[in-house]
Amino acid sequence: GDSVTQTEGQVALSEEDFLTIHCNYSASGYPTLFWYVQYPGEGPQLLFRASRDKEKGSSRGFEATYDKGTTSFHLRKASVQESDSAVYYCALNSGGSNYKLTFGKGTLLTVTP
Amino acid sequence: NAGVIQTPRHKVTGKGQEATLWCEPISGHSAVFWYRQTIVQGLEFLTYFRNQAPIDDSGMPKERFSAQMPNQSHSTLKIQSTQPQDSAVYLCASSLDQLGGRGAETLYFGSGTRLTVL
Repeated sequence: GDSVTQTEGQVALSEEDFLTIHCNYSASGYPTLFWYVQYPGEGPQLLFRASRDKEKGSSRGFEATYDKGTTSFHLRKASVQESDSAVYYCALNSGGSNYKLTFGKGTLLTVTP
Repeated sequence: NAGVIQTPRHKVTGKGQEATLWCEPISGHSAVFWYRQTIVQGLEFLTYFRNQAPIDDSGMPKERFSAQMPNQSHSTLKIQSTQPQDSAVYLCASSLDQLGGRGAETLYFGSGTRLTVL
């Protein structure tokens, strides 16, 4: 079945540090990949998505590139801010008749000023 | 647009009691999902409705969980005889379902109901 692996369970950074959260997936077909962000007391919200190999998704300074060869969709940001502190989820939908989103375990990002 | 509305935000029940969670999807969205979120398991799919019809309840624990969508504007998740292991945040999400159930839809989540079973 479909699966998403996020390597980092927690990441602690200082403001202006570079962020990388690794996401690897396993899916049948040609999945659509997503990054969702969840702030305390809220539900996950879409950060961005990508549907094709080499497509770059981006929003609010975050970006990730769909890499079918390495089955990866790593999240990066050049300079994090304290307001970026949240839980980040990588997710996929394998398309076709599959309507479910399969989520990774999430990565808690804590940014200190 | 108020987004997906879930009530109550917090619910505390005693072991063996019933809990009913409510969800109002975004107006015009025809797909509704329920997910359960725990520290250990993360986000788990429970069930899915399209145009109010139940499509997939494969994630639902069969014996005590049930979900309904009696009209376009709300869905309920009912847990009978709640157990401590049911403690979790229950998230409802909706989507436009422009692809007619063929996947890759963006989900819009509510803020969730935190269920605590004592």
